[in-house]
Amino acid sequence: QVQLVQSGAEVKKPGASVILSCQASGYMFTGYAIHWVRQAPGQRPEWMGWINAANGNTKYSQKFQGRVTITRDTSATTAYMEMSSLRSEDTAVYYCAREERFSSGWYQGFDLWGRGTLVTVSS
Amino acid sequence: DIEMTQSPSSLSASVGDRVTITCRASQSINSYLNWFQQKPGKAPKLLIYAASSLHSGVPSRFSGSGFGTDFTLTISSLQPEDCATYYCQQSDSTPLTFGQGTKVEIK
Repeated sequence: QVQLVQSGAEVKKPGASVILSCQASGYMFTGYAIHWVRQAPGQRPEWMGWINAANGNTKYSQKFQGRVTITRDTSATTAYMEMSSLRSEDTAVYYCAREERFSSGWYQGFDLWGRGTLVTVSS
Repeated sequence: DIEMTQSPSSLSASVGDRVTITCRASQSINSYLNWFQQKPGKAPKLLIYAASSLHSGVPSRFSGSGFGTDFTLTISSLQPEDCATYYCQQSDSTPLTFGQGTKVEIK
């Protein structure tokens, strides 16, 4: 079954760090990029960054540069997103999503999503 | 960053109605525009990519159009299961950005 399985909910105190995982199954992990998108309650989704699962190259939104690190373990077919210096505004559902390429690679879309991981930051 | 603005923010329509949602980009994004449907407590679901291409498995009552800065998502005949929030998203350049969403309800 083609799916992305995300780790469970986290509760963290301000200033702490969190590592979320996203395990892929049912498809060739290294054939697709994985993106991380978060969504605060009642807000629009917000793109955080992505990783090329084949070579490990990453790109981050400037907003999260220096605070977010995305990695992957090809043997475990898992991507990880670590966020440090958590604050209350980071409370959100964090999704991983697979990037599909269409029309010979000209276009991309998030065609497969995990169920999301709720991260709550509270003192 | 490219700002994406949707209108309306919400709408209420009857089953069988034609529904249109618009999305405007703050600069030209050619056809690098996706549409997603999101139901409460669920992840977004890809409906349309490249502004007008229907993603596999998506009902044909959904269609997209537009180029440059102005785009539309149309539901030709609204069904009860279409109650959801719809987001546009540009894939022209990073940071990838989403519109603020349009909540569609059944009257």
